Amino acid sequence: AQSVTQPDIHITVSEGASLELRCNYSYGATPYLFWYVQSPGQGLQLLLKYFSGDTLVQGIKGFEAEFKRSQSSFNLRKPSVHWSDAAEYFCAVLNNAGNMLTFGGGTRLMVKP
Amino acid sequence: ETGVTQTPRHLVMGMTNKKSLKCEQHLGHNAMYWYKQSAKKPLELMFVYNFKEQTENNSVPSRFSPECPNSSHLFLHLHTLQPEDSALYLCASSPYPGSGGDNEQFFGPGTRLTVL
Repeated sequence: AQSVTQPDIHITVSEGASLELRCNYSYGATPYLFWYVQSPGQGLQLLLKYFSGDTLVQGIKGFEAEFKRSQSSFNLRKPSVHWSDAAEYFCAVLNNAGNMLTFGGGTRLMVKP
Repeated sequence: ETGVTQTPRHLVMGMTNKKSLKCEQHLGHNAMYWYKQSAKKPLELMFVYNFKEQTENNSVPSRFSPECPNSSHLFLHLHTLQPEDSALYLCASSPYPGSGGDNEQFFGPGTRLTVL
């Protein structure tokens, strides 16, 4: 069975600082990986996705993520955080059949002025 | 309307009430999903519909009854719910059921349900 772990429940960074959110997955085949962001009271918005090819993927809002097969990780990064990035971030893995998306527990990001 | 819409956005109901949540997608997708997001658990997949046919029921109690009359609409009928069913219910849609990694899911804003 596939699973996703986001080890950090809460992270606080200062505005302008760099950010890395961790994600580890468990899946028997080549994974399809996603990062979503959820602002309070809102649904999930896709930040970026990895299917194949270049292991460094670029997303919206200046985010990027790197797929590392050897570490079963897909960490999300941003070089300089803005106050508007405060939200909850979810990593997810999609099975090869494309019908089962499994989410991690989420990381809540707070940004200090 | 664009994307995935959900109504109502907020719902308060008693344990003996019957209510329904509605989801509509304007993306021409063929698969639709219900998820439950509660404070203490990760996002949980509840139901999957591909081309109007239910293909997944993730051990959901029968007090939740989904209905998919066409590829654009998805309902979740609720009856005799429990307080622990209070949560954010998210609907999603995707283009190609069962087609692998290109099957990105697009989410609606959710219905915040409170069961008294």
